[in-house]
Amino acid sequence: AQSVAQPEDQVNVAEGNPLTVKCTYSVSGNPYLFWYVQYPNRGLQFLLKYITGDNLVKGSYGFEAEFNKSQTSFHLKKPSALVSDSALYFCAVRDGGSGTYKYIFGTGTRLKVLA
Amino acid sequence: DAGITQSPRHKVTETGTPVTLRCHQTENHRYMYWYRQDPGHGLRLIHYSYGVKDTDKGEVSDGYSVSRSKTEDFLLTLESATSSQTSVYFCAISGGLADTYEQYFGPGTRLTVT
Repeated sequence: AQSVAQPEDQVNVAEGNPLTVKCTYSVSGNPYLFWYVQYPNRGLQFLLKYITGDNLVKGSYGFEAEFNKSQTSFHLKKPSALVSDSALYFCAVRDGGSGTYKYIFGTGTRLKVLA
Repeated sequence: DAGITQSPRHKVTETGTPVTLRCHQTENHRYMYWYRQDPGHGLRLIHYSYGVKDTDKGEVSDGYSVSRSKTEDFLLTLESATSSQTSVYFCAISGGLADTYEQYFGPGTRLTVT
């Protein structure tokens, strides 16, 4: 069975500082990994994904994430945080080798960027 | 935004009544999903569909049924609503002609069961 863990309910960071939002996963096959962002009273928006290839993936709004197979992690990063980055972030995984089309989400991490 | 709409956007209903939520897409994506979002639980998959008339259960399917009679519509039915089904429900799609694997989400339906 596939699963995702986001160990931090909330991350606080000062504007201009680098940010990291953590995600670890478990799948039996090849992991397809995703990050989404949710602003208040909105649906989720896709940020970036890892399917195959380069371990460092870049996405929207200056975000990037690094796939680490040995640590089964896919942490979201940004070199310099903006107040407008404050939102709820979700990591998700799909087992790419199983033929399933189920996506499992983590519990979410609320990012608060302080001015 | 991907062409996904959900209706209704808000609903208040009484315990024991049936409720149907609709998800409509104009993107011709193959896969459609229903999730519920609750504080502390994130998004949990209720049911999903991998084609017309083809559906499968997710993590929290008890008390819910789904139907997909055409590509563009995916219905979620609560046969007899309970207060524990008070939640925000999101529809998502994936698997377009050039499948890029990510999901696209609708705006959500806030359901309150009193």
